[in-house]
Amino acid sequence: DAGVTQSPTHLIKTRGQQVTLRCSPKSGHDTVSWYQQALGQGPQFIFQYYEEEERQRGNFPDRFSGHQFPNYSSELNVNALLLGDSALYLCASSYPGTHQYFGPGTRLTVT
Amino acid sequence: TQLLEQSPQFLSIQEGENLTVYCNSSSVFSSLQWYRQEPGEGPVLLVTVVTGGEVKKLKRLTFQFGDARKDSSLHITAAQPGDTGLYLCAGASRGGADGLTFGKGTHLIIQP
Repeated sequence: DAGVTQSPTHLIKTRGQQVTLRCSPKSGHDTVSWYQQALGQGPQFIFQYYEEEERQRGNFPDRFSGHQFPNYSSELNVNALLLGDSALYLCASSYPGTHQYFGPGTRLTVT
Repeated sequence: TQLLEQSPQFLSIQEGENLTVYCNSSSVFSSLQWYRQEPGEGPVLLVTVVTGGEVKKLKRLTFQFGDARKDSSLHITAAQPGDTGLYLCAGASRGGADGLTFGKGTHLIIQP
């Protein structure tokens, strides 16, 4: 049983560009949450998707948007990249009654 | 805004020693979770504590949830080099279904 998978593993972008990160949830999970983890910090909640809708959102600007597909996979889009967006982006999946399982993350570097 | 404060931020001890890591908040959480994260990987859940005053043991790790459900501690007995990692506490507001609020973590190094 594959766990949560994320792609790409690493990504380098330039300020002002746009980026799309992808996540496939653990088999049987229907809820996907995204987190940003800056170097040396704990993860910060960006938003959560359930039934293809954004169900909850953390304190992030609307440059950060997402999508969930009918197969429960999800994308995180970040527009107009800033240097401060450099971080490890973590995806976590869950199902009602279960805790969140985290993927290995995508390391984004903005230059 | 709910915040979780973890202490200490960094801890380096010798193999065989005991240690305690703390997680404190001014807010009440429905549950607290402890994760361990290694470089290049996502956090892995160690334990979830739900009831005030609850104590859970996982081999050499002992987790405690405060009576008021605002704080928690992680105690490691006879630490081993394999315990090295980033220990994160995370609060859940609604049974873990919502986004988690994480502390900044404790970077633990166990020297052989």
